[in-house]
Amino acid sequence: GQNIDQPTEMTATEGAIVQINCTYQTSGFNGLFWYQQHAGEAPTFLSYNVLDGLEEKGRFSSFLSRSKGYSYLLLKELQMKDSASYLCAVRDQYGGSQGNLIFGKGTKLSVKP
Amino acid sequence: EAGVTQFPSHSVIEKGQTVTLRCDPISGHDNLYWYRRVMGKEIKFLLHFVKESKQDESGMPNNRFLAERTGGTYSTLKVQPAELEDSGVYFCASSQGDSAYEQYFGPGTRLTVT
Repeated sequence: GQNIDQPTEMTATEGAIVQINCTYQTSGFNGLFWYQQHAGEAPTFLSYNVLDGLEEKGRFSSFLSRSKGYSYLLLKELQMKDSASYLCAVRDQYGGSQGNLIFGKGTKLSVKP
Repeated sequence: EAGVTQFPSHSVIEKGQTVTLRCDPISGHDNLYWYRRVMGKEIKFLLHFVKESKQDESGMPNNRFLAERTGGTYSTLKVQPAELEDSGVYFCASSQGDSAYEQYFGPGTRLTVT
C-alpha cells in the first residue's frame, strides 16, 4: 500500500530551527515534494528531492534518503509567517513530470513569539 | 501571470443535488490534476488530464463524478447526485510539459453536502 507519515503538529519559537520529518512507503518513487499551506489557501511548492542528499533554498532545506524512505524539511530563523501546514508528497508514477502526488496528512507548525 | 483559479470558492448543496466545480489552470500548462481533501484526511488524487485527454482517472471515487477538459483549457468536475461523503475541499493543480515537475495548486473549492 501507499503510506506517508509525518507528525500531526509541532510548535517552535520565533528565530529557532525546526525539522519536520516524513517517512514513506510507496510502490514506486519518482520524487518527493514539500508544500506549504496556510489555512484556506492553496498549497505552495517549497522543495523537490529526487536524489539522496540535501537541497537548500534560503531558509528552507530538504533532505532525502531513498534507502530509508525518509525525508525532512528544515526551517531556519523561524518567522511568525511560517506558521502553516507542511505537506510531504511523493510522486509515485514514472514517466517524467506526469505522475500524480501521494500526500501525507500534513504537519501543522505553530511559531510562537 | 495568473495562477490556478477555481470557482466557486464555497458551495453548499443538499444531498441528491448536482454541483459543478471549475478549474482554470495556468495558461500553457498541459497537465491538469484534480485532488480532494476530506476532513481529517490527506489530500488524495482524483484524476489527471494531459491537454483534453484523461491520462489517469484511477482516483475517481465512483461514477457520480465526471470530469471534462474541453479544448484542453479549463476543466470541470461534476458531482451528480451528491452524497454526504462528497464533502471536502477539491483542489486543482497544473504543471507544464515534459521537463516540469512542480504542480501549481489552486485555492480549492470547499464543498459541503447537507
